[in-house]
Amino acid sequence: AQSVTQLGSHVSVSEGALVLLRCNYSSSVPPYLFWYVQYPNQGLQLLLKYTSAATLVKGINGFEAEFKKSETSFHLTKPSAHMSDAAEYFCAVSLPSAGSARQLTFGSGTQLTVLP
Amino acid sequence: NAGVTQTPKFQVLKTGQSMTLQCAQDMNHNSMYWYRQDPGMGLRLIYYSASEGTTDKGEVPNGYNVSRLNKREFSLRLESAAPSQTSVYFCASSPLYAPTDTQYFGPGTRLTVL
Repeated sequence: AQSVTQLGSHVSVSEGALVLLRCNYSSSVPPYLFWYVQYPNQGLQLLLKYTSAATLVKGINGFEAEFKKSETSFHLTKPSAHMSDAAEYFCAVSLPSAGSARQLTFGSGTQLTVLP
Repeated sequence: NAGVTQTPKFQVLKTGQSMTLQCAQDMNHNSMYWYRQDPGMGLRLIYYSASEGTTDKGEVPNGYNVSRLNKREFSLRLESAAPSQTSVYFCASSPLYAPTDTQYFGPGTRLTVL
């Protein structure tokens, strides 16, 4: 079975500062990894995903994430935070398997606050 | 394209009442999903439909039933609501039931059970 751990349920950064949201996974086989963002009172939308091609994945709105197998991590970064980045961010994992393992398993989320 | 739509947006029920949450997608996707979101727990899968005509249980199916009415519509029914079912419910769809697929989410239904 796969699982995802997001370190830090709340992260605050100043506008213009680096954003770093942490995600570690556990799985028995090489996983597929996703970051979704949820703006207030909205559904989730995909930021980026890793599907076993390039380990550095670029997404929308200037975000990127790097798959590091040795660290079982998929941390999300953005060089310079903008006020509009304030949202909740979810890391998720799925596996190239049959049955329920191919379903998305979500982390508990990280609420990002951007301070002026 | 509206994407994934959900009705209602808000609902308050009394314990024991029943209701159906509606979901529709206009992206011609084969697969549809129902999740619940609770504080500090991320999203958990309730039921999914890999393709029209099939439905299967997810991680937390107890107390729920689903119907895949056609390719576009996937409904979630609470037969006898309980306070533990107070949550935000999201419907999602994806092109195929593939582990690399992007899922597209609706805006959610906020349900309170008193």
